[in-house]
This record gives sequence, C-alpha cells and structure tokens, in this order.
Amino acid sequence: QVQLQQSGLGLVKPSQTLSLTCAISGDSVSSSSAAWNWIRQSPSRGLEWLGRTYYRSRWYNDYAVSVKSRITITPDTSKNQFSLQLNSVTPEDTAVYYCARRGEPAGKFDYWGQGTLVTVSS
Amino acid sequence: DIVMTQTPLSSPVTLGQPASISCRSSQSLVHSDGNTYLSWLQQRPGQPPRLLIYNISNRFSGVPDRFSGSGAGTDFTLKISRVEAEDVGVYYCMHATELPLTFGQGTKLEIK
Repeated sequence: QVQLQQSGLGLVKPSQTLSLTCAISGDSVSSSSAAWNWIRQSPSRGLEWLGRTYYRSRWYNDYAVSVKSRITITPDTSKNQFSLQLNSVTPEDTAVYYCARRGEPAGKFDYWGQGTLVTVSS
Repeated sequence: DIVMTQTPLSSPVTLGQPASISCRSSQSLVHSDGNTYLSWLQQRPGQPPRLLIYNISNRFSGVPDRFSGSGAGTDFTLKISRVEAEDVGVYYCMHATELPLTFGQGTKLEIK
C-alpha cells in the first residue's frame, strides 16, 4: 500500500518561498513507472496541477506554465521523498496543496497526500 | 489547455436512486498511444481527492461496483447505480492526456 505523507509550513509571508515535502512509503521516488505530482486546490482556481518529477533513466520535471518561473520540484532519493518550492508567493497562492502519485497505466492518479493548507499572509 | 466542463454542478439525489454526472472536454482526450486518460475523482468533505475511475471505465481498487464510467472522445459519464449516504461529496473529472493536466469544476452530490 502506497502512502504519501506531507509536511511543511502552513503560513508563508508574501514574497517568500513556500516549501512542502511529500514522503513516500510503499513505492520509490525513483520508480520507472510512476510520476510524482503537486496539485493545489483553492475556491477561486479549483484543482490546479502544478508540476511533476519522474525518473526514466534520468530525472525529468514538467511544470505548469502559470508557475513555471517560480516552481521547483526536487526528488530526494536518500529520503524517498520529493519536495515543492514555490518562490515569490502572493495571497493568490493560498490553497490546499496535495502531492499525488501517477501510477500505471498513465493517467492513474491513485494515491494522494493528506493535503496541506498554505496561507500566504503577512 | 484542455477545458473540462461538468454538468450538473449540483445533484440532489434520493438514497437508493441512480445519479449521473457528465464531463465534456474541449478537445479529444485520445492520446497518441491510443488510450484515453480520463479519470473520475471523489472528494468527501475535509478529505483529499480519491481515485474512483481511470481510463474512462476502469474502477480503482476498492471502489464499489455501483460506480461506473463510460464515454469516448470528448464526452464522458460517471454513473452511480444506487446512491448511498457515503457517496456525498464533490466529484471531479480530470484528464492526463497532455500537459497541463486539467480538472472539471466539480459536481456536488447531495442527498435530498
């Protein structure tokens, strides 16, 4: 059974960096068949895919255009986890952030983290 | 980006009765590999989304067989054969055919 456990601060000041981590159990961040995603949810934007990291002989990352200049998703093989950093946050980045696994076959978002409410406020 | 449009946005249903939610995409969801990466998610209050159906009609492990998915191309449907109290929540369609992945706006299922 795969489990994703999120951690990170729930309150970030405007212009600062949002940082969240998703610890994986029951699978490997280096899996050759999975992709590891960050998705957020807010009343104004609904569910919004932010980006992913995955390993296919080498590491790949894909990001949503809306956050591409501010986002970094990083795998950590030593801790079997992956992280989200979102720079220069504004109140519009206030949302519940989820990590999620895309398993096999492609398109199967089968396991989700518990969610972290991140509020951007001074 | 592919726009996913769900109808209705709210669905009051009597316990034991069927329910149906439609999802339309702004372009075909058929991938170049021949698969159609359309999924349905359920979100109960205070919970993360939960996968119900993937690739149009495949039920995820542990999902009751009263849930079924159908459709092709740009038009898809989630059906619940007999609604139970635990089915209350918001249902989302989503695609993973191309980047960015996008989601429908959600359909709130409530009991009459």
